[in-house]
Amino acid sequence: GDSVTQMEGPVTLSEEAFLTINCTYTATGYPSLFWYVQYPGEGLQLLLKATKADDKGSNKGFEATYRKETTSFHLEKGSVQVSDSAVYFCALSNFGNEKLTFGTGTRLTIIP
Amino acid sequence: DAGVIQSPRHEVTEMGQEVTLRCKPISGHNSLFWYRQTMMRGLELLIYFNNNVPIDDSGMPEDRFSAKMPNASFSTLKIQPSEPRDSAVYFCASSLGPTGNTEAFFGQGTRLTVV
Repeated sequence: GDSVTQMEGPVTLSEEAFLTINCTYTATGYPSLFWYVQYPGEGLQLLLKATKADDKGSNKGFEATYRKETTSFHLEKGSVQVSDSAVYFCALSNFGNEKLTFGTGTRLTIIP
Repeated sequence: DAGVIQSPRHEVTEMGQEVTLRCKPISGHNSLFWYRQTMMRGLELLIYFNNNVPIDDSGMPEDRFSAKMPNASFSTLKIQPSEPRDSAVYFCASSLGPTGNTEAFFGQGTRLTVV
C-alpha cells in the first residue's frame, strides 16, 4: 500500500538557518504530494502541494519539488523564523482515491 | 466560510461512557474524513465519506466506533463504550471531491480524554 516516510524529529534550529525536512514515499501510479503544517492547538493546514513529477510547490518561503526518480518531496526553507515552529507532515493521495496518507510528522522548533 | 467546525473542543469522560463527536464540513465540499492523532501512532484515517456515503472505513479500530453522515452538512463519530486507549485528538476534514489532488481542510480537533 501507499506509505510516506518522513525525517524523524524533533528538529531545532536557530533563526535564519536553512531548513530541510526529508520525505520519501511509496505509491502506485502517480500520486499528488502535500506538506501540511500544524501549529500548537490547531488542526492541520495545507502548506504546499505538487501534483506531478518535477512540479515545485511553494508557499511562505517554503518549497518542495516532486522528484519521481527518487520518490521524494523534501521540504526546504532558506531562512527560518521563530513563527515557523510547528509540526510538519508530508502526505500523498492517489487520483480517484482522495484519502491522504500521512507521514509521522516532524516537530520543528526555531530558537531566536 | 467558517471552515470545518468540530464540537466539542475538549471532552473528558469516564471509561464505559458513550462519546459523540460532531463535525460540520465546509459548505459545498463532497468528501469528509475522520482522523485520529496520537503520539504513538501519529495521524490515522478512521473513515471517509463521499456524498454522505462511507467509502472506506478500514481504519475504524473496532465495533465500538461508528460514524454517520446523515446529510451533507453534518457528521458524527461515536465511541460506545469508551476506553482509556481511545484518548486522542480527533480531527474532521473536508474536501471538494475525489480528484486526488484537492486540499483537505481540517477542523481544530476534539481532544478526548477517557479516564
